[in-house]
Amino acid sequence: DAGVTQSPTHLIKTRGQHVTLRCSPISGHKSVSWYQQVLGQGPQFIFQYYEKEERGRGNFPDRFSARQFPNYSSELNVNALLLGDSALYLCASSFKRTDTDTQYFGPGTRLTVL
Amino acid sequence: GENVEQHPSTLSVQEGDSAVIKCTYSDSASNYFPWYKQELGKRPQLIIDIRSNVGEKKDQRIAVTLNKTAKHFSLHITETQPEDSAVYFCAATLDNYGQNFVFGPGTRLSVLP
Repeated sequence: DAGVTQSPTHLIKTRGQHVTLRCSPISGHKSVSWYQQVLGQGPQFIFQYYEKEERGRGNFPDRFSARQFPNYSSELNVNALLLGDSALYLCASSFKRTDTDTQYFGPGTRLTVL
Repeated sequence: GENVEQHPSTLSVQEGDSAVIKCTYSDSASNYFPWYKQELGKRPQLIIDIRSNVGEKKDQRIAVTLNKTAKHFSLHITETQPEDSAVYFCAATLDNYGQNFVFGPGTRLSVLP
């Protein structure tokens, strides 16, 4: 079985630009969560989507948005990029909506903002 | 909201020795506690988890203990091997609508041959 996949693997942008990151969950998984991992820190929760609806949002500005498609894949969008948005963006999928369900992480997209 | 602290931030052990990493959480309603291992440049991988109705769980060389009263849980790795070298993250979460994992800051474990 394929695991969680993310694209692109690396991305370089300049301040003010916007970026779209993509995630495909494990087949059969309906919940997708997004995390931001700054170098040297633990992942920080950004969003959770389940059945195409936003089910949770972390403490991130409105420049961050996401959506989930009918096939349960997901996109994370970040507008007006700042230097501080440079990080590894991780997608995690699980079968159920509840947080006690095991989450499996993708390889991440490393975003560098210059 | 939930807050998770993790200690130590770095840990060096000799191959074959045991390693213990401790985490504390703030919200007594948290009920699920996974541990992830992240090697350099790779994704976090779940290595063991424990739910609040269990006090201890073991999987080969890895064990996790949970003390709900004290709100802390620990990862124990016995007979460490060089391939155990990585950053380990603990996390806590509520079985609650829309809440997601809160991760600790991580422990960098180095197993010296």
